[in-house]
Amino acid sequence: DQQVKQNSPSLSVQEGRISILNCDYTNSMFDYFLWYKKYPAEGPTFLISISSIKDKNEDGRFTVFLNKSAKHLSLHIVPSQPGDSAVYFCAASEGSGGSNYKLTFGKGTLLTVNP
Amino acid sequence: KAGVTQTPRYLIKTRGQQVTLSCSPISGHRSVSWYQQTPGQGLQFLFEYFSETQRNKGNFPGRFSGRQFSNSRSEMNVSTLELGDSALYLCASSPGSTNEKLFFGSGTQLSVL
Repeated sequence: DQQVKQNSPSLSVQEGRISILNCDYTNSMFDYFLWYKKYPAEGPTFLISISSIKDKNEDGRFTVFLNKSAKHLSLHIVPSQPGDSAVYFCAASEGSGGSNYKLTFGKGTLLTVNP
Repeated sequence: KAGVTQTPRYLIKTRGQQVTLSCSPISGHRSVSWYQQTPGQGLQFLFEYFSETQRNKGNFPGRFSGRQFSNSRSEMNVSTLELGDSALYLCASSPGSTNEKLFFGSGTQLSVL
């Protein structure tokens, strides 16, 4: 039972354009959401997060949107750069204040930004 | 600050053997989590330790175990290895409060032959 789903295994965009990565979840107990980026042969690195009490969070070129009613979140990267090419993972945690200390990850989306 | 350090980087074992992987968290971090990454299943939570106590455990068989030492370093052990245990094992650390971002190491790539 996959509780966090990233339905697009891959996405290709042109440099300078917007990249939109999507994530759906089924567990209504999830209250904190994160995006991680992973390069080959490296561990995932944290990008941006959002609490369920918000619907948007921005950090530079990265913005995460949360639609709780649709159980959907998305990551927007504007403008996209070749160095953004990586696998992006959506993750979620549940429990009051994230008290179960566990992240549930999607299977990732490979983003390729073409020069 | 030094990042999360995992050793060894690569490991090759045969079925039936056991293996121990090591993780040194970022200095000052008291929580250590372990995840298994496979092409088919993505990243799956194994367990999380804080102050030498396991706080949460994922849905893995008892062959997978872990521990944390007083200096926050952690080890995970897999006994009676199976072919399906071939994966990248990732360790992550955090200060230990709720909903904190995790800092991941580069992982140990385990191949079971």
